[in-house]
Amino acid sequence: SQKIEQNSEALNIQEGKTATLTCNYTNYSPAYLQWYRQDPGRGPVFLLLIRENEKEKRKERLKVTFDTTLKQSLFHITASQPADSATYLCALGSNDYKLSFGAGTTVTVRA
Amino acid sequence: GAGVSQSPRYKVTKRGQDVALRCDPISGHVSLYWYRQALGQGPEFLTYFNYEAQQDKSGLPNDRFSAERPEGSISTLTIQRTEQRDSAMYRCASSLLRGATWELFFGEGSRLTVL
Repeated sequence: SQKIEQNSEALNIQEGKTATLTCNYTNYSPAYLQWYRQDPGRGPVFLLLIRENEKEKRKERLKVTFDTTLKQSLFHITASQPADSATYLCALGSNDYKLSFGAGTTVTVRA
Repeated sequence: GAGVSQSPRYKVTKRGQDVALRCDPISGHVSLYWYRQALGQGPEFLTYFNYEAQQDKSGLPNDRFSAERPEGSISTLTIQRTEQRDSAMYRCASSLLRGATWELFFGEGSRLTVL
């Protein structure tokens, strides 16, 4: 069955450093991958989408890579700030527009 | 409205009762999704609609769960004969379906507690 795995441990980093989150998947051939941010008690908020034929996508301080051979996506937050503290979810989808989410990785950025 | 609206935000019910959760998507959004999210987990897909047509209901746990979107806008997720294991946050999301950047817009959720 399809499986999506994100960093099992929470990530604690110092302000200004780069946070790197991983999303690995098995038994799946996604057409695209999305990353969402979720704050406590709130719904997820879309950040980035990367398609299967794209290697890298950037948006401000965020960078996403997608390696369909390794079946992995990396999500980087550069020059991290305390306001970046949240849970980050990866989600995979195919052309049927159905999104399957990972469990998320909680990031805490210390001032 | 400006965003996806869900009601009620909190629902406490007794085991065996039926509950109906409502979702009002962003105006003009073609697709509407229902997810269930347990604490510390990502959203788990339940079902989704394009317009009024239910495209995929493979995530509905059993036949006590049903959803409808009769006029292609507001949707209702109904859980019959609730059980304690149904307690969770139920999230609705909507989408334009197409576009260079396709994304889901989530509501604030309906937290269901079954006693």
